Amino acid sequence: NAGVTQTPKFQVLKTGQSMTLQCAQDMNHNSMYWYRQDPGMGLRLIYYSASEGTTDKGEVPNGYNVSRLNKREFSLRLESAAPSQTSVYFCASSENPEEGYGYTFGSGTRLTVV
Amino acid sequence: AQKITQTQPGMFVQEKEAVTLDCTYDTSDQSYGLFWYKQPSSGEMIFLIYQGSYDEQNATEGRYSLNFQKARKSANLVISASQLGDSAMYFCAITGGFKTIFGAGTRLFVKA
Repeated sequence: NAGVTQTPKFQVLKTGQSMTLQCAQDMNHNSMYWYRQDPGMGLRLIYYSASEGTTDKGEVPNGYNVSRLNKREFSLRLESAAPSQTSVYFCASSENPEEGYGYTFGSGTRLTVV
Repeated sequence: AQKITQTQPGMFVQEKEAVTLDCTYDTSDQSYGLFWYKQPSSGEMIFLIYQGSYDEQNATEGRYSLNFQKARKSANLVISASQLGDSAMYFCAITGGFKTIFGAGTRLFVKA
């Protein structure tokens, strides 16, 4: 089925550990995004990639890095996990939100940092 | 900077009635887009409807319509003939450039 695939779905990390969240889309979308969702705060933009080869910071980029590996894949890396990074992470893609194309979201990664 | 405000943390509506979910926004951009998304209890995010800042007519998608009042900077979602399956979180969002900023959401409860 066409869509956005995120892995893993669940992860528990110890403080200081690193990990990479993977995201791939098969809809040939230009732009890709990483959001985190915390209770009562909606979704907050971490990083985005408007097109292959470009990445930009969002609202809450500290503690994260991203790589737009190719048009399909956009990964999010936590270099040294902290309890404040406990959250649900969503990857999304869109042809072009400025032209009214909504996001297609992945199913999310629930990350707990202990 | 762009900002979305959703002032209703929770709303109740009787099945088959209409409900309006409020959204106000702030932006310095001349051109922007407004979106609504639904998040059921299962957790996935579903795109519902879009309104461009230059669109003169309110957007509609089936039972969803967007009441866009540009001068008041509001983009309220109207759901007609509510169904039990409409119970979910609803997020308003604004796009400028390629960045989309979301509000905190409104939880809608549909009563049978």
